[in-house]
Amino acid sequence: EVQLVESGGGLVQPGRSLRLSCAASGFTFDDYAMHWVRQAPGKGLEWVSGISWNSGSIGYADSVKGRFTISRDNAKNSLYLQMNSLRAEDTALYYCAKVSSGWFDPWGQGTLVTVSS
Amino acid sequence: DIQMTQSPSSLSASVGDRVTITCQASQDISNYLNWYQQKPGKAPKLLIYDASNLETGVPSRFSGSGSGTDFTFTISSLQPEDIATYYCQQYDNLLPHFGGGTKVEIK
Repeated sequence: EVQLVESGGGLVQPGRSLRLSCAASGFTFDDYAMHWVRQAPGKGLEWVSGISWNSGSIGYADSVKGRFTISRDNAKNSLYLQMNSLRAEDTALYYCAKVSSGWFDPWGQGTLVTVSS
Repeated sequence: DIQMTQSPSSLSASVGDRVTITCQASQDISNYLNWYQQKPGKAPKLLIYDASNLETGVPSRFSGSGSGTDFTFTISSLQPEDIATYYCQQYDNLLPHFGGGTKVEIK
């Protein structure tokens, strides 16, 4: 069974950093691109960042460019999101997702990031 | 960046009704359009990929159509378990975008 489990969320003050992790199992991790998508409370889905299977191609939403860094460790079947200079508007549930030919499937259960003083 | 305009933002329909949601891309995206269902408190679930292909295990009352810039998602006969928010999503290399979502409720 394909499974994605996010961790690392929590309450953090504005301007501080946080590192999210996504542990993957049940599929050949280094065959697939992986992405992060977030959802602010009561809002829609917002794509955050994506990384190709070999880390050769990386993309970021304009809202996080220069502050967030995506990475992966294929040996550990893990995806990461380093979030620096956090703002109140980064408060959201962060999902990781496996991407096959452009569609997101499956998604993890999400990890909640709250940015507040 | 390619932007996605999804409408309506919400709708209310009766059980058994046909429900239609549209998604418009700001430029030609061929058939690179996917649809997701998100129930309250749950992660999104893929329903339709590449505009019209039904994901394995998804009931046949769900369907998708369209190409280029205009796409349609249809529930042929709304069921109580279909109460959810539905999102379209385009994939442009490593810059995907989601539509704003359509919240479907039972009248």
